Amino acid sequence: SYELTQPPSVSVSPGQTASITCSGDKLQYKNVCWYRQKPGQSPVLVMYQDRKRPSGIPERFSGSNSGNTATLTISGTQAMDEADYYCQAWDSNTVIFGGGTKLTVL
Amino acid sequence: QLQLQESGPGLVKPSETLSLTCSVSGGSISSSSYYWGWIRQPPGKGLEWIGSIYYAGSTYYNPSLKSRLTISVDTSKNQFSLKMYFVTAADTAVYYCARGTTDNGNWFDPWGQGTPVTVSS
Repeated sequence: SYELTQPPSVSVSPGQTASITCSGDKLQYKNVCWYRQKPGQSPVLVMYQDRKRPSGIPERFSGSNSGNTATLTISGTQAMDEADYYCQAWDSNTVIFGGGTKLTVL
Repeated sequence: QLQLQESGPGLVKPSETLSLTCSVSGGSISSSSYYWGWIRQPPGKGLEWIGSIYYAGSTYYNPSLKSRLTISVDTSKNQFSLKMYFVTAADTAVYYCARGTTDNGNWFDPWGQGTPVTVSS
């Protein structure tokens, strides 16, 4: 079965750029989306079709997907961006989630 | 604005059936542009897709759960439902419903607030 791998944690200083990766076999041929989940809240879509932002998501969020790795990049990271982030793709009629990355802003 | 709301018992006994309903408001569940999904999150863990259904009734299930699942849609009530049979403690989780979109990829947006389910005697 297809798997998506994320680093368990990423740390970033306020104002700096955070990059969260999601790895999978030939991932570039799949469309990846990303969710942000804050404690006690439901996941919120922050990126779809690799690099498109839903309305209401700040421009500092961007996405890319090349080779075996998709990346969610947050420029000028703010304290409010601290959350768990999950990548997701579709393979063989199944939805696949990455294990999630805890982004710490310190 | 589309909203989804999960409902169902918060406590289920082992070996029994977990039944949840997702009520959709602010839009029609019969739209051919979307599908409807269930996702769960065990305490302190990540997201796990359970399954999805299209308004016409076609379903897709997580292979690891497929033998214990039924997902159905009731267009007259603008609801869709999940039944999970023979539950164990490993099925304890927050259960979310969400709207899915298929368009050069698949994604869920929006999500319901989630409902916690505990499996315990």
